[in-house]
Amino acid sequence: NAGVTQTPKFRVLKTGQSMTLLCAQDMNHEYMYWYRQDPGMGLRLIHYSVGEGTTAKGEVPDGYNVSRLKKQNFLLGLESAAPSQTSVYFCASSYPYSSGVGKAFFGQGTRLTVV
Amino acid sequence: EDQVTQSPEALRLQEGESSSLNCSYTVSGLRGLFWYRQDPGKGPEFLFTLYSAGEEKEKERLKATLTKKESFLHITAPKPEDSATYLCAVQEYQAGTALIFGKGTTLSVSS
Repeated sequence: NAGVTQTPKFRVLKTGQSMTLLCAQDMNHEYMYWYRQDPGMGLRLIHYSVGEGTTAKGEVPDGYNVSRLKKQNFLLGLESAAPSQTSVYFCASSYPYSSGVGKAFFGQGTRLTVV
Repeated sequence: EDQVTQSPEALRLQEGESSSLNCSYTVSGLRGLFWYRQDPGKGPEFLFTLYSAGEEKEKERLKATLTKKESFLHITAPKPEDSATYLCAVQEYQAGTALIFGKGTTLSVSS
């Protein structure tokens, strides 16, 4: 019962460094999402994908890039990390909401600190 | 302006003391309203989906209800293991597929 798996679970970056967060799901879901969660701000959508090879911007996309080369994987990249990107990042996946089974399944999160 | 507002931000209950959490929303076309539970250091865990006003869903000590402007999560005779942050999210027809989350209510139940 893997569900949605995120790697790594923890990471400390220096300002200006780059990194990629990996999300993998084994439920054959079409849709995948990246959220960030900050104290007092709730979960905010960064980018999402409605299928292999497609991506779209969410509420807070600046400073991030994404790729969905395979249906089961969704990568989140930080090209030049900034302290403002210190956060907990969650990946999620779901069937299309139009299918009537639109609930999203979340990974366990990646805690990123940028110093 | 927040589209999803949860209240209270924090709630402390004694074991067995029933209460309700509120989620009000201002989206124009609601496709669905979702409740999640989040434990510290974990990802959100799905609880319920509600699609239309008047709908109710139950799971153990939790009952979710939906009106045209808000949803309530009723907790009956809570236990310490119900302590968590409860998140409400909505999905609009117009906005595509992603969920819009409220900031959550942190529930603490003491024995």
